[in-house]
Amino acid sequence: AQTVTQSQPEMSVQEAETVTLSCTYDTSESDYYLFWYKQPPSRQMILVIRQEAYKQQNATENRFSVNFQKAAKSFSLKISDSQLGDAAMYFCAYRNAGGTSYGKLTFGQGTILTVHP
Amino acid sequence: DVKVTQSSRYLVKRTGEKVFLECVQDMDHENMFWYRQDPGLGLRLIYFSYDVKMKEKGDIPEGYSVSREKKERFSLILESASTNQTSMYLCASSLGIPHEQYFGPGTRLTVT
Repeated sequence: AQTVTQSQPEMSVQEAETVTLSCTYDTSESDYYLFWYKQPPSRQMILVIRQEAYKQQNATENRFSVNFQKAAKSFSLKISDSQLGDAAMYFCAYRNAGGTSYGKLTFGQGTILTVHP
Repeated sequence: DVKVTQSSRYLVKRTGEKVFLECVQDMDHENMFWYRQDPGLGLRLIYFSYDVKMKEKGDIPEGYSVSREKKERFSLILESASTNQTSMYLCASSLGIPHEQYFGPGTRLTVT
């Protein structure tokens, strides 16, 4: 079974600064997807960024980028130029690429990000 | 825009009651999921469904059942609610691999 670990229960950052959220995972599969989801207070969970394991290039979405280290099974999220609206719970998630997984996600414990003005 | 809705944002039930949590999606997604979210544990999969009337157990199915009679609707049933089922329940849907999951707003259930 796959596991996902987020070792930082809470992180904080000053507005306009950069913060990195950590995530490690364990799997015996070679083909899979990794995701970062954002859950703002009292609002719906939304996808921030995704990474396909077969792609060596790190994914980027505007101010959000990942550092994907497949051999180390590490998948960190970097938020640049942090904004007050980035304050949320962030979840790292894993999904097998095929088989009968039907797209099931395995989540980490979550990291609460606070942004200070 | 994909929309996943859940019947209640907040629910308070008594121990032993039968509880129904409803989830509806409007994008014709094959796959639907029920997760439970608890502090320090993240989201854990309770059940999922990959087609009408088809279901599979997730990681923590004990004490729960599900129903999917129509493609757009996926219900989570607590046959006899217990206090340890007090939690946030999130529904999600997707077209399947490699598509993302879209989440509902969640139902915060309190069992007293």
